[in-house]
Amino acid sequence: GAVVSQHPSWVICKSGTSVKIECRSLDFQATTMFWYRQFPKQSLMLMATSNEGSKATYEQGVEKDKFLINHASLTLSTLTVTSAHPEDSSFYICSARVGRSYSNQPQHFGDGTRLSIL
Amino acid sequence: GQQVMQIPQYQHVQEGEDFTTYCNSSTTLSNIQWYKQRPGGHPVFLIQLVKSGEVKKQKRLTFQFGEAKKNSSLHITATQTTDVGTYFCAGIDSGTYKYIFGTGTRLKVLA
Repeated sequence: GAVVSQHPSWVICKSGTSVKIECRSLDFQATTMFWYRQFPKQSLMLMATSNEGSKATYEQGVEKDKFLINHASLTLSTLTVTSAHPEDSSFYICSARVGRSYSNQPQHFGDGTRLSIL
Repeated sequence: GQQVMQIPQYQHVQEGEDFTTYCNSSTTLSNIQWYKQRPGGHPVFLIQLVKSGEVKKQKRLTFQFGEAKKNSSLHITATQTTDVGTYFCAGIDSGTYKYIFGTGTRLKVLA
């Protein structure tokens, strides 16, 4: 149980393109979803937290107009990287969890999306 | 600011040797969770500790939550090549309720 599907797994696109990444909880309802960015051999950097039906809460230094998050249902959250540039190239990974922001339920991670902007 | 540091950053061990990673928070945590990320994979939840001084075991893995709820450890007995990966601790800060991931410890096991 607790499977999270993330799509696409790999994107290569030109600078200026907007890229949408989907994160779906397949067998449970995810009240809260998280979006992380991970640089090679480094830890996960939390970008934003989204609760279903609410606006996402962005971490300090993360541009909300650059990284648009939508969590319209209990099983789907999307991250759109708008007008992507080479410096946005990274590994983006989502996670889903039952319970709202202060819940201590474990997070279940998707397989991640490797984004390369040329 | 808030930090959760893990030491060591990297560890190479011979298969069969023991391994320990330590997780240290600058603030009190309401819980501690441990995750394992295999190379090229995503983090997978291992265990959660909530009580001060709690110790839990999963086969060769022993997890401990410190008395002050600011540190934790993961000990692997007799490592195997399947233990290769990065181990992350994570927890919720008791004051701010922010969820923080540790810096991770990368383990390599040499056969």
